[in-house]
Amino acid sequence: DAKTTQPTSMDCAEGRAANLPCNHSTISGNEYVYWYRQIHSQGPQYIIHGLKNNETNEMASLIITEDRKSSTLILPHATLRDTAVYYCIGKLVFGAGTILRVKS
Amino acid sequence: GAVVSQHPSRVICKSGTSVKIECRSLDFQATTMFWYRQFPKQSLMLMATSNEGSKATYEQGVEKDKFLINHASLTLSTLTVTSAHPEDSSFYICSASSPLDHQLPETQYFGPGTRLLVL
Repeated sequence: DAKTTQPTSMDCAEGRAANLPCNHSTISGNEYVYWYRQIHSQGPQYIIHGLKNNETNEMASLIITEDRKSSTLILPHATLRDTAVYYCIGKLVFGAGTILRVKS
Repeated sequence: GAVVSQHPSRVICKSGTSVKIECRSLDFQATTMFWYRQFPKQSLMLMATSNEGSKATYEQGVEKDKFLINHASLTLSTLTVTSAHPEDSSFYICSASSPLDHQLPETQYFGPGTRLLVL
């Protein structure tokens, strides 16, 4: 399973875009990148996934580099409720994730 | 759609007793369910993968005789912590995936978690 690397924490101003990077240089060619988030004391919530192309849904956008070694999750207009731990995973292995703090 | 429930949400038990946690997919059939454990301020750690109708596959270091997993139907998996001890106190989270979903079968939908405290 691919190992992912993410910054420990990030701050973002409310209403601004939050850009969360993830390195997954060991991901295999047919392995999708998944993003989940976990709000304190709750189960993780699925956000988005992608393989090669950029993806967008009602929650976020996912930008994947052409070499697939990294990706960026974009929350276009962060709100206080987006404060959570964000995980980028290859399949079933969760790393430490990024603590995103959205501040007013 | 894609809702997963867990019961109970929290449980306190005495050392040496067994505790059963249920995981249900409410609006889809889950051929595969996963069980994770999360200690305070740590990430999720996969314990086992459960496929409906077959024996669970446990991750290295997870005792299969201590953490009994049953996946008897497409909507229900159970985790039984046998002879629980204080070190088993943790946040247990299940997830479910379905090949019938238009998403990939690897997309996991997580339950809300069960907080276990063993005294």
